[in-house]
Amino acid sequence: EAGVTQFPSHSVIEKGQTVTLRCDPISGHDNLYWYRRVMGKEIKFLLHFVKESKQDESGMPNNRFLAERTGGTYSTLKVQPAELEDSGVYFCASSHFYGGIGIDTQYFGPGTRLTVL
Amino acid sequence: AQTVTQSQPEMSVQEAETVTLSCTYDTSESNYYLFWYKQPPSRQMILVIRQEAYKQQNATENRFSVNFQKAAKSFSLKISDSQLGDTAMYFCAFMKHVNNYGQNFVFGPGTRLSVLP
Repeated sequence: EAGVTQFPSHSVIEKGQTVTLRCDPISGHDNLYWYRRVMGKEIKFLLHFVKESKQDESGMPNNRFLAERTGGTYSTLKVQPAELEDSGVYFCASSHFYGGIGIDTQYFGPGTRLTVL
Repeated sequence: AQTVTQSQPEMSVQEAETVTLSCTYDTSESNYYLFWYKQPPSRQMILVIRQEAYKQQNATENRFSVNFQKAAKSFSLKISDSQLGDTAMYFCAFMKHVNNYGQNFVFGPGTRLSVLP
């Protein structure tokens, strides 16, 4: 079974440019999460999809960030325009959907390292 | 809001020895989950072990075990018979108990563990 994949692995852009990160979750996983780790600090939650719907986007830092998950499969995270403080590692994770209480293991991708110059 | 603290930014251990990584957290929730994830230099983050707060018995997974002290809000990870492949960044993470929605992590800053030959 293929794991969570992310593309690109590295991205270097100039301030003001646009970057789009992609995440392919494990096949069949309805839950998809985005996290980021900035400047060696804690990994912070950004948002959560259940299929194509945004369940929780309380962690999105501002309106320069736009996440989509059309069709409930892969997801993209666009940063437009990028700022210096957006540099960091962006992680994606996926898990099964549970109809009741309980949790399921989140499987993480390798991350995309974004550098904004 | 929940917070997770890992007071040891870096640690090292000799191969075959035992090492304990500390983690404390702060929450007003009574039911929640705690996790340890590792991120080797190859960058894929992997679940090491998880603990349900309502369970008194400490979780174990082969050479990995936890010391869960709910009253003290402490969740340390013990690695026995350390191996070179254990070299990684270790993240302690908290997840409050909810239904399927909103199951995002709160992570600690991480502890970089080096296993020395």
